[in-house]
Amino acid sequence: KAGVTQTPRYLIKTRGQQVTLSCSPISGHRSVSWYQQTPGQGLQFLFEYFSETQRNKGNFPGRFSGRQFSNSRSEMNVSTLELGDSALYLCASSFQGNLNTEAFFGQGTRLTVV
Amino acid sequence: DAKTTQPPSMDCAEGRAANLPCNHSTISGNEYVYWYRQIHSQGPQYIIHGLKNNETNEMASLIITEDRKSSTLILPHATLRDTAVYYCIVSNYGGSQGNLIFGKGTKLSVKP
Repeated sequence: KAGVTQTPRYLIKTRGQQVTLSCSPISGHRSVSWYQQTPGQGLQFLFEYFSETQRNKGNFPGRFSGRQFSNSRSEMNVSTLELGDSALYLCASSFQGNLNTEAFFGQGTRLTVV
Repeated sequence: DAKTTQPPSMDCAEGRAANLPCNHSTISGNEYVYWYRQIHSQGPQYIIHGLKNNETNEMASLIITEDRKSSTLILPHATLRDTAVYYCIVSNYGGSQGNLIFGKGTKLSVKP
């Protein structure tokens, strides 16, 4: 069974640009969550999607957005990039997002903003 | 904020058991204890989770105290590949909470 796939693995963008990251969850998983990891702040929750609906949201500005498609694949978008957005962006999927379930993470997309 | 307290670092000799403690004194009745680990620059890897009974799988054992205020992750025979940051998380993930709140974790160094 294939794991969580994130593309691209590495990305370099210029300040002010926008970026779209993609996440393909494990087959059959309907919940997809996104996290940002930086050396200073650690792993922080961005948002979670379940059946194409945003179900939970972390404390990030509106420049960070996401969506989920009918096949459960998810994208996140960051507009007007800032230097501080440089981070490892991680996606996690779980079966239904019910209690007593576990989340499986992808390898992440390393975004560098210059 | 994370609801767990873990030592920032631990060492373990290769081949010995690694016992990683976690305090979660404010855990709620419907919250599970999850353990993940992250090897440098990779995505976190799920290890094990439990509610109140001890759990064991092919990777590790999870011992939860009777009052559920603390737990211990046991790697029975640590190898160099087990060197990683280990995160203990309490969550009703999948219920009202759709996210895992990561703290700073314990950096485990397995030494030859």
